[in-house]
Amino acid sequence: QVQLVESGGDLVKPGGSLRLSCIVSGFAFSDHSMTWVRQAPGKGLEWLSYISSSSVYTDYADSVKGRFIVSRDNAKKSLYLEMNSLKPEDTAVYYCANLGSGGWYLQHWGQGTQVTVSS
Amino acid sequence: DIQMTQSPSSLSASVGDRVTITCRASQGISNYLAWYQQKAGKVPKLLIYSTSILQSGVPSRFSGSGSGTDFTLTISSLQPEDFATYYCQKYNNAPLTFGGGTKVEMK
Repeated sequence: QVQLVESGGDLVKPGGSLRLSCIVSGFAFSDHSMTWVRQAPGKGLEWLSYISSSSVYTDYADSVKGRFIVSRDNAKKSLYLEMNSLKPEDTAVYYCANLGSGGWYLQHWGQGTQVTVSS
Repeated sequence: DIQMTQSPSSLSASVGDRVTITCRASQGISNYLAWYQQKAGKVPKLLIYSTSILQSGVPSRFSGSGSGTDFTLTISSLQPEDFATYYCQKYNNAPLTFGGGTKVEMK
């Protein structure tokens, strides 16, 4: 079955960095664009970044542009999110998801990883 | 950027009720609209994409309609497992903006 497993979440001080990983199984990873979404405590869903199947195209929400970098390794069936200059408002559960074959809807989601930015 | 506005932000309903949630885009998005369900403490789950196509395994009591800027999610007969928060999302282009969510609570 389809599985996406995030890891790398942690407690980090403001200004710090963190790298999230998402390892997938159960579908053709290299055929799908991927995305990261986050959810702050008690808040709604916020889209963060997108990466095409071959890494040619990436895009970011304004809130993280210039601070976060998305990448992938198709051979390892892995997606990454490098997060720099972290702020307290980046505190959230971070989800990875694959985008559908027929459009950029989030077809399958990981279980999420908690990132807390606090001094 | 296109904004997505859901209404209501919350509603109270009883088992068996027909429930309708609205999502409005600030500009036309054709039919590039998805709906997700998130139960408390759980991971969001895709319900509907392309405005009206049910994801595999989603009960037929869920339906979606609309086009352009106005969209609806309808639950024809609310079941106990449907109490959750529902989000719309536009995906015609980036940013893949979500609506603010609609919490469906038990009356």
